[in-house]
Formats: sequence, C-alpha cells, structure tokens
Amino acid sequence: IAGITQAPTSQILAAGRRMTLRCTQDMRHNAMYWYRQDLGLGLRLIHYSNTAGTTGKGEVPDGYSVSRANTDDFPLTLASAVPSQTSVYFCASAPGATDTQYFGPGTRLTVL
Amino acid sequence: GQNIDQPTEMTATEGAIVQINCTYQTSGFNGLFWYQQHAGEAPTFLSYNVLDGLEEKGRFSSFLSRSKGYSYLLLKELQMKDSASYLCAVMDSNYQLIWGAGTKLIIKP
Repeated sequence: IAGITQAPTSQILAAGRRMTLRCTQDMRHNAMYWYRQDLGLGLRLIHYSNTAGTTGKGEVPDGYSVSRANTDDFPLTLASAVPSQTSVYFCASAPGATDTQYFGPGTRLTVL
Repeated sequence: GQNIDQPTEMTATEGAIVQINCTYQTSGFNGLFWYQQHAGEAPTFLSYNVLDGLEEKGRFSSFLSRSKGYSYLLLKELQMKDSASYLCAVMDSNYQLIWGAGTKLIIKP
C-alpha cells in the first residue's frame, strides 16, 4: 500500500454500540490526526498524535479515544456511539507536527 | 475565538479565472493551507503560504497578507474538473489546523 488507508469505508451503527475506526499509513509519518467533517462546518480535530506513544486532545474529543502504539496505526474508538457522532471521519498524517497533512479516504459513519 | 471565513459557494465559467477569498482570526499563525476536496472524497493539498506574497503553482496561485489576515486562491483557465470545494486552513500557535467551512466552486460550460 502507499499512503493512508481507513476502514471501514462506511458503517451504520446502533446507538450505544462500541466502534473502532482504523487508520494505517506507510509513509513513516510521525504525526497523525483524526478529524470529523459535518455539513456546513469546517473539519474539526478530534485527537492527534505527534509521535508514536503520545496523543493529545483536539477541539472535539468527548466520546472518542485514540491510541498510538506504533508509527503506522492510529485507531479511533467510540466507546458508546450516539447519533450526534454521525459524520464523515478523516484520518490524516504528516512528516512532523508542523508539516503539510495528507488525508485518508474517510469513513462515513451513521449512528441510529 | 478562532475564526476562518470563506464564501459558501461561487460559480464561474469554464476557461475563466476565479478568486476564492479567505479571512482569518487565529491565536498565532504558522502558515496557511489550501486544500481541494471533490464531493465524496478526501481533501488534497494545493498550496502553503507562510510569508506575504504570491505562490504560483501551474494554474493555481495563492496569496497571503499576514497584516490583513487575508488570503486568496486564484484558479486560472478553469476546467470542469475544478468543480470542487476549496478549504482554507490556518496553523495556529499550537501547530493545529483551524479550518474554514469551505467554498463550493461550480464550473459552468
């Protein structure tokens, strides 16, 4: 693979269920990000990781958690999904925290 | 608070020139980015400005005035494939990107 992959492409989820969105990059980028994109709003940062082993909270972290056990993977977990988490989720990576970010194809999540 | 403003929608004609404006108010400034996003796809990087002035890259140019908190993206010789949303984002003092809501550009033949 080359670049960033996300899985699943789309998912319909019942409220209250746990869900993990996967993100993998093969560019050896240090920094990784999770955003959500909602109609009429700009991309909003959920969580980020500047390097493997560290994570930080973005603008809208509530209800989400992340881990960064290695350089390549940055999963996003919704512990108990709610309808307001219906959105398109994009993972991004960058060589470093101050560099241009490159985006994965996105996951369209619907919580009913 | 932090704010990025850009027009919601613009329409232009194939072959013409269009300018998409972006104004910002952020806590700190570490560069301004423009991304293109086709419907249903991921944002893709177009340009980066950190110093005042014009950066040219083929049919696309981006301008920055830090004193005015202002940038524009200029698209020349418009093609139908340029129909997309254009996202303006500023890197703040914490090196996080603050995003505008995007400008949907409609190209008519």
